[in-house]
Amino acid sequence: AQSVTQPDIHITVSEGASLELRCNYSYGATPYLFWYVQSPGQGLQLLLKYFSGDTLVQGIKGFEAEFKRSQSSFNLRKPSVHWSDAAEYFCAVVPYSNYQLIWGAGTKLIIKP
Amino acid sequence: SQTIHQWPATLVQPVGSPLSLECTVEGTSNPNLYWYRQAAGRGLQLLFYSIGIDQISSEVPQNLSASRPQDRQFILSSKKLLLSDSGFYLCAWRQNDRAYEQYFGPGTRLTVT
Repeated sequence: AQSVTQPDIHITVSEGASLELRCNYSYGATPYLFWYVQSPGQGLQLLLKYFSGDTLVQGIKGFEAEFKRSQSSFNLRKPSVHWSDAAEYFCAVVPYSNYQLIWGAGTKLIIKP
Repeated sequence: SQTIHQWPATLVQPVGSPLSLECTVEGTSNPNLYWYRQAAGRGLQLLFYSIGIDQISSEVPQNLSASRPQDRQFILSSKKLLLSDSGFYLCAWRQNDRAYEQYFGPGTRLTVT
């Protein structure tokens, strides 16, 4: 079955440190890939997406993600986190077979001052 | 530009009472529309999606129903709320037959007491 795995439920990072959030998917072909962010009590905001082409994609708020086909991964990165990045981050995929997003369980990012 | 609205923002209802949550999208036509629920500390659960007026698919059997009386209006209802219906309800839209990312509303926090 198609699935998305975010292995880290929580991650704590010091302000100014670099960040990497992991996402792995289980699907035969390369799906469309997304990262969303949800601040507490808010809706989800699209950070970035990958459809094809350059495997390193840039998003909003200084985030980037790298697609690695060999590892079925789409990890999210930021060189230096800010306290305002504290939120929950969701990875999602759309398989070619349908148009429905398959969601990871989310990773909660905690920023230490 | 497109915007999505949800109301109410918060709602406290007793067990057994009815429910109506509304979602409207502006600035687009014939969108795909989605209702999700987030239980406390959990990920996204797709409840319903709609590809057109009166075309609604249910993903999870439950105490809820959805209707789409107009092209850009999506309503989530219940005749009798259960305690387990508490959660954060998110509406989302996707541009029909185009890119696959979904855009989310601000959400409704429902507490069933």
